[in-house]
Formats: sequence, C-alpha cells, structure tokens
Amino acid sequence: SYVLTQPPSVSVAPGRTASITCGGNNIGSKSVHWYQQKPGQAPVLVIYYDSDRPSGIPERFSGSNSGNTATLTISRVEAGDEADYYCQVWDSSSDHPLVFGGGTKLTVL
Amino acid sequence: QVTLRESGPALVKPTQTLTLTCTFSGFSLSTSGMCVSWIRQPPGKALEWLALIDWDDDKYYSTSLKTRLTISKDTSKNQVVLTMTNVDPEDTATYYCARMPTPAIAGGYYMDVWGKGTTVTVSS
Repeated sequence: SYVLTQPPSVSVAPGRTASITCGGNNIGSKSVHWYQQKPGQAPVLVIYYDSDRPSGIPERFSGSNSGNTATLTISRVEAGDEADYYCQVWDSSSDHPLVFGGGTKLTVL
Repeated sequence: QVTLRESGPALVKPTQTLTLTCTFSGFSLSTSGMCVSWIRQPPGKALEWLALIDWDDDKYYSTSLKTRLTISKDTSKNQVVLTMTNVDPEDTATYYCARMPTPAIAGGYYMDVWGKGTTVTVSS
C-alpha cells in the first residue's frame, strides 16, 4: 500500500513559522488532507484538497503539494497549535485506499 | 449539524468479537458519494484506518486486518457497525468513526467530522 512519511517531531518558537512535511511517491498527483489532534481529543480537519481550509480554521494554516512532498505550514505559531498533525491521502489504485502518515508532534518552544 | 458517536464495550477479553456502533446525525448515508470510516489509535501511537462503507454499500478494509473486520450499515437507523473478530491486547485503542463527504474531485476522500471516540481495552 501507499506509504506517507512524516518527521516525528518539529519544534518552533511562538510567532515563527512551522512547516510539517509529508512525503510519498509522486504525492503531488494526489489530494492531501491534514488533521490536527490535541491530547485526549479527536482529530480535527485543518486542510483538505492540499490547501483548502474548513470554516473555522485560521488563515495561519496553509498547505501545498508538489512532486514527492506535501507541506502543512502554520504561520505565526501560537501555543495552542501544539498538537500532533497527520497527513492523509486516498489511493484509489490500492486495495488499502486510505492512508495516514505516521504523525508529527509539533512543539511550541 | 453533523455529529457522530461511537459506542461499544470498554473491555473485551482476548479471542472475543468486538462490536462497535457509530450513530450519526445531520447527514444521510444514502447520499451519493457519502462514506463513513472507522479509524483507531492505540495509546501513544498514530492513527490507523480500519474500514469504510459508502452510500452504495461498497466496503473497503485495511489489508492487514481485513480477515477480521466486517463493516455494515443500517441507513434507517443512521448507524454503521464494525465487528472485529478474535481480538488481541494489541487491539487496545481508541476507536473513532468519521464522515467522509462526497468528494469534489475524483479520489479526494477525507474525513470532515469525527466522533469523540470510544476506548476499548482487550484484557483477560
């Protein structure tokens, strides 16, 4: 099945920009979705179709996808952004079509 | 308002069958393109997709668990049921169900609303 690779952890100071990557073979040809999960809570969709934001998600959250890497970018990071972030794709050619990345722990210093 | 709620036993013994129910409101699983997925998360670990069922009763399973999983729906009750046979302590996890709306583009399935999850412990 398709494999998505994320860095286990990313650290960033408040007010700076955090970038979380999601690697996959020719991932640029797929739609990538991102979820935020805070401790003890269910995941929340923050980006879908590579760069669209659901209502209620701050403009500080943005996404891009090209080649073999998709990126979630969080600008002007706040303490409340500290969470685990997961990327996800749908691989229609696979008999295991829905795939998550391994998750990235974002730490706000 | 779209909501989903998972229910099931909190404790299951090894080798038993686990049955989880997702009860939802605010949408219909009869709507073309609509799906509901089950996802789990062992303590301290990553999300793992388990299965999904679509509006047309097509079913997809995790390749690593497909021999143990069965997903079904009762559209009249707005419920999706997941059964997992022969459970093991490694199946201890929080289990979530989530709505997957009709994609705007081919292959663009994602989960826009999640339930709060239900925690299942497998232990004798």
